[in-house]
Amino acid sequence: AQRVTQPEKLLSVFKGAPVELKCNYSYSGSPELFWYVQYSRQRLQLLLRHISRESIKGFTADLNKGETSFHLKKPFAQEEDSAMYYCALTPNFGNEKLTFGTGTRLTIIP
Amino acid sequence: DTGVSQDPRHKITKRGQNVTFRCDPISEHNRLYWYRQTLGQGPEFLTYFQNEAQLEKSRLLSDRFSAERPKGSFSTLEIQRTEQGDSAMYLCASSSRQGGTDTQYFGPGTRLTVL
Repeated sequence: AQRVTQPEKLLSVFKGAPVELKCNYSYSGSPELFWYVQYSRQRLQLLLRHISRESIKGFTADLNKGETSFHLKKPFAQEEDSAMYYCALTPNFGNEKLTFGTGTRLTIIP
Repeated sequence: DTGVSQDPRHKITKRGQNVTFRCDPISEHNRLYWYRQTLGQGPEFLTYFQNEAQLEKSRLLSDRFSAERPKGSFSTLEIQRTEQGDSAMYLCASSSRQGGTDTQYFGPGTRLTVL
């Protein structure tokens, strides 16, 4: 069975400082990894997915199959980055079921 | 189309009562998912439909839970004989496969409180 681990429930970072939200997964196959974000009083929304290899709102995430990690990074935090972040996976491309981690609440300190 | 909608947004019920939630997906999305989220946890998969066919159900979905999508459009999730442990946020999402990938768009959720 697949599992996603986000070790930090809370993370506080000063504005302008680098951000790294950790995500580790366990799955024997080739999963697809995602980061979802939920801003205050908004619905859960996709931030980025590893196959896109995009930078969204300055965030990037690299899939490291050797370490089974998919950490989310941003070089310079902004106040509007404060939100709840969830790492998630689907077991293989085209599979539908998302397995989420427990989430990390990121707070940017002005 | 403003996205996935869910009704009601909040539901308070007494233990033992039945409740039904509705989800309206984004138009033309053929896939619809239900998740449950409890405090301090990430969403947990319950079930999903492709068109009107229910293709997968989690073991979390006990016999008291039933979901339908009769015409391949909106879906309902019914919980019979509610228990206090059913208190949670129930999330619906929809998607449409394009180019081999599949982005799930979430609704605002229905928060259930069982007294």
